[in-house]
Amino acid sequence: DIVMTQSPDSLAVSLGERATINCKSSQSVLYSSNNKNYLTWYQQKPGQPPKVLIYWASARESGVPDRFSGSGSGTDFTLTISSLQAEDVAVYYCLQYYTTPYTFGQGTKLEI
Amino acid sequence: QVTLKESGPALVKPTQTLTLTCTFSGFSLGTSGMRVSWIRQPPGEAPEWLARIAWDDAKYYSTSLKTRLTISKDTSKNQVVLTMTNMDPVDTATYYCARSPNDTPFDYWGQGTLVTVSS
Repeated sequence: DIVMTQSPDSLAVSLGERATINCKSSQSVLYSSNNKNYLTWYQQKPGQPPKVLIYWASARESGVPDRFSGSGSGTDFTLTISSLQAEDVAVYYCLQYYTTPYTFGQGTKLEI
Repeated sequence: QVTLKESGPALVKPTQTLTLTCTFSGFSLGTSGMRVSWIRQPPGEAPEWLARIAWDDAKYYSTSLKTRLTISKDTSKNQVVLTMTNMDPVDTATYYCARSPNDTPFDYWGQGTLVTVSS
């Protein structure tokens, strides 16, 4: 199974400041035939299912504010929130869907 | 409008078999490339993918749980069923179903159903 490791486990950032969350996979999730990274970022708030923010490592889901961005390739990925808003308080997960079994990172709790 | 909804017992006893049903609308599992997965999330922990079924009836399971899981579909009823045998208190979690079209990740999720395993 591919192991996904996020860092840090928790993060406190001031309103308006940048937040950066990292995700590392135990093997590459880059599919060479289409040059796509099978890596997604989710945001989860209490009592809700996870919500897609970023897919293919860097493509923003429709309706997601442009302060959210994803980068990276192969085994190392980053989710960046450029200017933290109060509504961004949540737990963030990365997910690899390169191969089954799909695997999630352990989560990063983002606080103000 | 795509919706998914999980249903099943809220409480099961240890050693019992859990049966969960995902009823969906707004898409068809008969469409080429469409897939539905089950994912669970213990309280305060990360989600864990359990199983996936595709439009062509291809099935995949979690490595650690595959001996206990069975996933099936009824395309005419727009339903996917998951059974998990030999339930244990550590299986207490919110169980979600989610769809993934083609090679894309889970884009629509149900609201989840909390299953507690206790005698």
